Amino acid sequence: GAGVSQSPSNKVTEKGKDVELRCDPISGHTALYWYRQSLGQGLEFLIYFQGNSAPDKSGLPSDRFSAERTGGSVSTLTIQRTQQEDSAVYLCASSLEQGSPEAFFGQGTRLTVV
Amino acid sequence: GNSVTQMEGPVTLSEEAFLTINCTYTATGYPSLFWYVQYPGEGLQLLLKATKADDKGSNKGFEATYRKETTSFHLEKGSVQVSDSAVYFCALRPPGGYNKLIFGAGTRLAVHP
Repeated sequence: GAGVSQSPSNKVTEKGKDVELRCDPISGHTALYWYRQSLGQGLEFLIYFQGNSAPDKSGLPSDRFSAERTGGSVSTLTIQRTQQEDSAVYLCASSLEQGSPEAFFGQGTRLTVV
Repeated sequence: GNSVTQMEGPVTLSEEAFLTINCTYTATGYPSLFWYVQYPGEGLQLLLKATKADDKGSNKGFEATYRKETTSFHLEKGSVQVSDSAVYFCALRPPGGYNKLIFGAGTRLAVHP
């Protein structure tokens, strides 16, 4: 596609439920990143994929968070047993390759846990 | 560790005023530096970048110079427009790797006619 696509754009879920957030990167981009933008925390790195593997998961805040990437393309970020503090905008970005100086961001998924 | 500090907002200016948004960083080695912009209702967009000391990034009338001696990357524009109203993020990418960007907290700019 022309840009990084994320779905859904908005998600409201009840505390304790699981959610899945999807990212479709720019075609041909091998590197994919998830970030979280929350009030009071700014923008924080969550996880990096190169192809289907994740060499850096250091930003995942707890074991309730996981992500996978299949076919070197689409990625899914899963949050289990959601908590209110998980409410944030989850951003996905991709870049052509690991060392590319520019990452292209999607518009994000706004997650609200009630 | 790596960190980015940028001036708190909001910054409110009249159209055609001069803009400076300060950004300083702490990093090991020689990071790449970026300014990203988030317009209302839109995703983050790269505004400009600089990959080594003394480089000047520029785009859409905005400029920022990579100053290693002061560890700064201040964003400037000579004459702002209402359409520049957005949130601006300074970011660094540590050397030697991938786009694990470290962001500042963001500065909201509001430009009034």
